[in-house]
Amino acid sequence: AQTVTQSQPEMSVQEAETVTLSCTYDTSESDYYLFWYKQPPSRQMILVIRQEAYKQQNATENRFSVNFQKAAKSFSLKISDSQLGDAAMYFCAYRSDYGGSQGNLIFGKGTKLSVKP
Amino acid sequence: DSGVTQTPKHLITATGQRVTLRCSPRSGDLSVYWYQQSLDQGLQFLIQYYNGEERAKGNILERFSAQQFPDLHSELNLSSLELGDSALYFCASSETSGESTDTQYFGPGTRLTVL
Repeated sequence: AQTVTQSQPEMSVQEAETVTLSCTYDTSESDYYLFWYKQPPSRQMILVIRQEAYKQQNATENRFSVNFQKAAKSFSLKISDSQLGDAAMYFCAYRSDYGGSQGNLIFGKGTKLSVKP
Repeated sequence: DSGVTQTPKHLITATGQRVTLRCSPRSGDLSVYWYQQSLDQGLQFLIQYYNGEERAKGNILERFSAQQFPDLHSELNLSSLELGDSALYFCASSETSGESTDTQYFGPGTRLTVL
């Protein structure tokens, strides 16, 4: 079974600085998708970024980018120019990509990010 | 706003009772997923429906059941409630059954408190 591990329960960053959140996963599959979701105090789950395992190029979305290391099974999220609105719980998630397989997400425990003004 | 709606936002009930949580997926999405978020277990997948049919089951208790109706809205039924069932229940929807381009969009959740 696949597992997702986020080893940093809490992180803190100064406004306008850069922070990196770590995520590792365990799988025997070769095709899969990885996601970062953000959960602000409102509790809404918001998709931040996704990465297809077959793509070598790291995904980017504005100030958010990932460092995807397939061999190391590592998928970190970098937030540049941190803003107060980035303060939230961040979840790393895995999804299989086998035909006919279930499409559910497997989540890590989350990293709580604080942004200091 | 993800386009996924869930009702009610909050639900307070007593042990032994039964409740129904409702989810309307985004327009055009055929899959509905239910997840439970609790302090001890984190975010766990419960069950998936695709176009009215059960597609996958996760860590769903036998006391819990779900269905997806012809108009694609879904209901999660929780019965014989226990204190440990207190959690945030999310519904997510996606276009397909989990094919490669699929992305899940989450509703705002239903906060269930069992007293």
